[in-house]
Amino acid sequence: QITLKESGPTLVKPTQTLTLTCTFSGFSLSTSGVGVGWIRQPPGKALEWLALIYWDDDKRYSPSLKSRLTITKDTSKNQVVLTMTNMDPVDTATYYCAHRSRWFGELVYFDYWGQGTLVTVSS
Amino acid sequence: AIQLTQSPSSLSASVGDRVTITCRASQGISSALAWYQQKPGKAPKLLIYDASSLESGVPSRFSGSGSGTDFTLTISSLQPEDFATYYCQQFNSYRITFGQGTRLEIK
Repeated sequence: QITLKESGPTLVKPTQTLTLTCTFSGFSLSTSGVGVGWIRQPPGKALEWLALIYWDDDKRYSPSLKSRLTITKDTSKNQVVLTMTNMDPVDTATYYCAHRSRWFGELVYFDYWGQGTLVTVSS
Repeated sequence: AIQLTQSPSSLSASVGDRVTITCRASQGISSALAWYQQKPGKAPKLLIYDASSLESGVPSRFSGSGSGTDFTLTISSLQPEDFATYYCQQFNSYRITFGQGTRLEIK
């Protein structure tokens, strides 16, 4: 059974750096083709993809946010960490991590999601 | 980036109705499209991938079709648990985008 859970601060100040951790179980991030991604959703708004890391440490970022994002993995701890610099109130959102199955070939869809964590950016 | 436009933005329907939601891409994406269902306060759930492949465990009343720029999600007979917001998502060389969502409400 695949599960993912996000953790991190619920409140950050403008200009600060956000660090979120995704802790997962039921799969290994050393299995060929597997990936873990981050997606966010501002209150009442649509979903926005942020970043994805693969089993082989290949990393992909949203072009519009690439300069602010870093994604890393710790396979031994079953964790993926996302950092976002220079936080702004417009970054207030629920942040989700999600599993990308190796069975999707070269395409990216997310078949298992964490429950999400709401991050508010305010002074 | 490829824009995805869903229509309608909201929809009222009754249990047992057949419902179709459309997602139009600003440029061709072959069949690289997924549909998700999201209920209030919950994470999205994958329903359809590769435009028409049903995710394991998803009821067969859900179906997807289309390729290129025009895609549809159809629910053949609405059930009470289907009232939710639906999003399409495309993959194009890691410029992944989602539609703005379609809210399906009870009439």
